[in-house]
Amino acid sequence: SAVISQKPSRDICQRGTSLTIQCQVDSQVTMMFWYRQQPGQSLTLIATANQGSEATYESGFVIDKFPISRPNLTFSTLTVSNMSPEDSSIYLCSVSQGAGDGYTFGSGTRLTVV
Amino acid sequence: GNSVTQMEGPVTLSEEAFLTINCTYTATGYPSLFWYVQYPGEGLQLLLKATKADDKGSNKGFEATYRKETTSFHLEKGSVQVSDSAVYFCALPPSGGSYIPTFGRGTSLIVHP
Repeated sequence: SAVISQKPSRDICQRGTSLTIQCQVDSQVTMMFWYRQQPGQSLTLIATANQGSEATYESGFVIDKFPISRPNLTFSTLTVSNMSPEDSSIYLCSVSQGAGDGYTFGSGTRLTVV
Repeated sequence: GNSVTQMEGPVTLSEEAFLTINCTYTATGYPSLFWYVQYPGEGLQLLLKATKADDKGSNKGFEATYRKETTSFHLEKGSVQVSDSAVYFCALPPSGGSYIPTFGRGTSLIVHP
């Protein structure tokens, strides 16, 4: 199965600043998914990133706040812009292993905004 | 669309106790079913899966049986360890025209020595 390297693993940021999270996959994948996991909560899908096209955002998430890049089939970044304490969460990237084989996740980025 | 209902946590057990985490689902047809585990400070990992009715998925002493009659996929372990303390997610693959999987709310398991 694919292996995902996600960076940074954690960060503490000042409000009003931006943080870019990177995910590198060891194989080519069509779709990459970005999730937010607030403390004690389940996963909330932010957007789906396809190579060569704009990301598709879920309701409640906008490109200006969470710009995503997908320059090739093995890499993607998610930026959390103009951060506020409400953005403190774990952010996860994920890729499909194929129909019936589940998903692989990055190790997560634990973001604290102060 | 698909939906997953998991029992609310946290589930708190003593070491060597028996574990059951309930999961029921609503789906069209007979999709594969998954359990994921998230250890503290980590991302989710696939724990086990079952691809058809009556299949039993197993891994690391955990088991879950695909019950289409009751649309359930309960996670069980006969003797839990402190190292099993984690959050467990039941999940369905995408369905219909969607490419997005469905995850349950997650159930936190705390195992005391």
